[in-house]
Amino acid sequence: EDQVTQSPEALRLQEGESSSLNCSYTVSGLRGLFWYRQDPGKGPEFLFTLYSAGEEKEKERLKATLTKKESFLHITAPKPEDSATYLCAVQAIGRANNLFFGTGTRLTVIP
Amino acid sequence: EPEVTQTPSHQVTQMGQEVILRCVPISNHLYFYWYRQILGQKVEFLVSFYNNEISEKSEIFDDQFSVERPDGSNFTLKIRSTKLEDSAMYFCASRPPGQIVHGYTFGSGTRLTVV
Repeated sequence: EDQVTQSPEALRLQEGESSSLNCSYTVSGLRGLFWYRQDPGKGPEFLFTLYSAGEEKEKERLKATLTKKESFLHITAPKPEDSATYLCAVQAIGRANNLFFGTGTRLTVIP
Repeated sequence: EPEVTQTPSHQVTQMGQEVILRCVPISNHLYFYWYRQILGQKVEFLVSFYNNEISEKSEIFDDQFSVERPDGSNFTLKIRSTKLEDSAMYFCASRPPGQIVHGYTFGSGTRLTVV
């Protein structure tokens, strides 16, 4: 059974204090791992797709990495506008096109 | 930047009533999805739709639910005989054909409240 576990559930950082969010996954065959940002009352906003172990992607202060069992979202020198819930989702080979989401990490960046 | 548009943003309905949630996917996208998120819980897959038919559905998507693409632009989710536990945010998503590198684009959601 596909499983996605994100940790921590919540994270409070001072502005400029770098940290990492974790996404551990179990899937029969990984087609892709996705990171999304979700603001309160809004839909998930796409950040990255990762396909294979060793892959890295960057966007502004965010960097996503992937191993065979987990993915990390590194946030460098965060700003208050980075406050949001960050969602990890996997798409498995042979399961058509649906995404299986984790419960997310709620990030708060304090000025 | 192209968007997935959902209407209404908030729907309140009485238990037992039928609701239709509407979505306008991005114009060149061919794969369409409905997801839901109960308050405080994870985003859950309901159904995927391609080439005018359902390609996959979850256990949640039972006979109470149906989807339709009535014309070239709209994609709808119908929920019959609504129950209190159907209260949730419902998100429509779409993606273009081919690689998934660009991810799925989600709409802002419809908050359904069943009273």
